[in-house]
Amino acid sequence: DTAVSQTPKYLVTQMGNDKSIKCEQNLGHDTMYWYKQDSKKFLKIMFSYNNKELIINETVPNRFSPKSPDKAHLNLHINSLELGDSAVYFCASSQVGGRALDTQYFGPGTRLTVL
Amino acid sequence: QKEVEQDPGPLSVPEGAIVSLNCTYSNSAFQYFMWYRQYSRKGPELLMYTYSSGNKEDGRFTAQVDKSSKYISLFIRDSQPSDSATYLCAMGAGGTSYGKLTFGQGTILTVHP
Repeated sequence: DTAVSQTPKYLVTQMGNDKSIKCEQNLGHDTMYWYKQDSKKFLKIMFSYNNKELIINETVPNRFSPKSPDKAHLNLHINSLELGDSAVYFCASSQVGGRALDTQYFGPGTRLTVL
Repeated sequence: QKEVEQDPGPLSVPEGAIVSLNCTYSNSAFQYFMWYRQYSRKGPELLMYTYSSGNKEDGRFTAQVDKSSKYISLFIRDSQPSDSATYLCAMGAGGTSYGKLTFGQGTILTVHP
């Protein structure tokens, strides 16, 4: 039974389109995250939600909008996709209120390719 | 300059070798130090976690933190082909950091039979 799942696994789309990525965790965790991993494997945090409240909002274009309908789900919507958005997007979750010492569990990633 | 620097490699070693992976950092607020392992086309998974300075050993893996030098290391003894992966160091501060982790670029390791 998958702990952190993401859909879709692969997403190929044209520049200018709008797309969404979904994430679900069945670990009962309070905090969820979105990360972006570029082609050089550099993993950078984008957003974090704790109990549906946004607690980390890094310098990310406002074309990216996270939404957390409940604490088990965190979605990422991207408007007006650009070539530079091509990357692997990882969702993660951790148990308590977003402390650095809490283990973060990562999903399998969504590989986004913008043509 | 990035907050966390890690040599991306790639690093290729024969089976049984001792592997040393390292990261340096600039932010004195970092207190929590982790190593994540990421297999190809998978998400990262936590391998080792250390709080503040010192050593931690888990089987074939040893993590070292030297806060005075802002330097952390991961040693893998008796490396196996199954250790072939990308190893990412990650660091977090306490207090109001809300669980934010800053990752190094990752070192690609290949252990060949």
